[in-house]
Amino acid sequence: DARVTQTPRHKVTEMGQEVTMRCQPILGHNTVFWYRQTMMQGLELLAYFRNRAPLDDSGMPKDRFSAEMPDATLATLKIQPSEPRDSAVYFCASGEGPIYGYTFGSGTRLTVV
Amino acid sequence: GENVEQHPSTLSVQEGDSAVIKCTYSDSASNYFPWYKQELGKRPQLIIDIRSNVGEKKDQRIAVTLNKTAKHFSLHITETQPEDSAVYFCAGAGYSTLTFGKGTMLLVSP
Repeated sequence: DARVTQTPRHKVTEMGQEVTMRCQPILGHNTVFWYRQTMMQGLELLAYFRNRAPLDDSGMPKDRFSAEMPDATLATLKIQPSEPRDSAVYFCASGEGPIYGYTFGSGTRLTVV
Repeated sequence: GENVEQHPSTLSVQEGDSAVIKCTYSDSASNYFPWYKQELGKRPQLIIDIRSNVGEKKDQRIAVTLNKTAKHFSLHITETQPEDSAVYFCAGAGYSTLTFGKGTMLLVSP
């Protein structure tokens, strides 16, 4: 089974530190999403790329978050500086585009203390 | 942008009963509606989906219906089993969006 690979699986960091999360989409998938999941807010869309170009990052706090796809095999989500309210599970998902199913990675559980 | 409402937030059924989860969406441009199942501590997994040119789709004990005029779609699980217990998310997708509902926690009691 093809998988979306996310690293790290868990991250504990101190407030103010930079955090970088990585995602390797399934080979051939041209669409990549970043979501943040919390109990209170559910699955929130942070960023959306198609063919490596950002289509929507309106849900992302621009002052501290950034998302990039330096190449077709790597998507990154960076938080600088991190805050305790950023504690959540961050999921990456990839797919072949609209009207096709999207596959989620196993997520990165981030704890900011 | 798209807004997806999902009901109920929790649903408890006895094993063998049916379960129905309902979602509404706001963007008439949405044309793809996937459903995901998420077990505790795991990633969401796609269980069934439906496209806007289809009114109903079935896969064993799971079925999904879509009413484009009313902008609502539903997940039906028949003959529920304890292993169906999980959080279920509906979503609406168009060219540049994939928006999730808040989720339904389904509890199936033996």
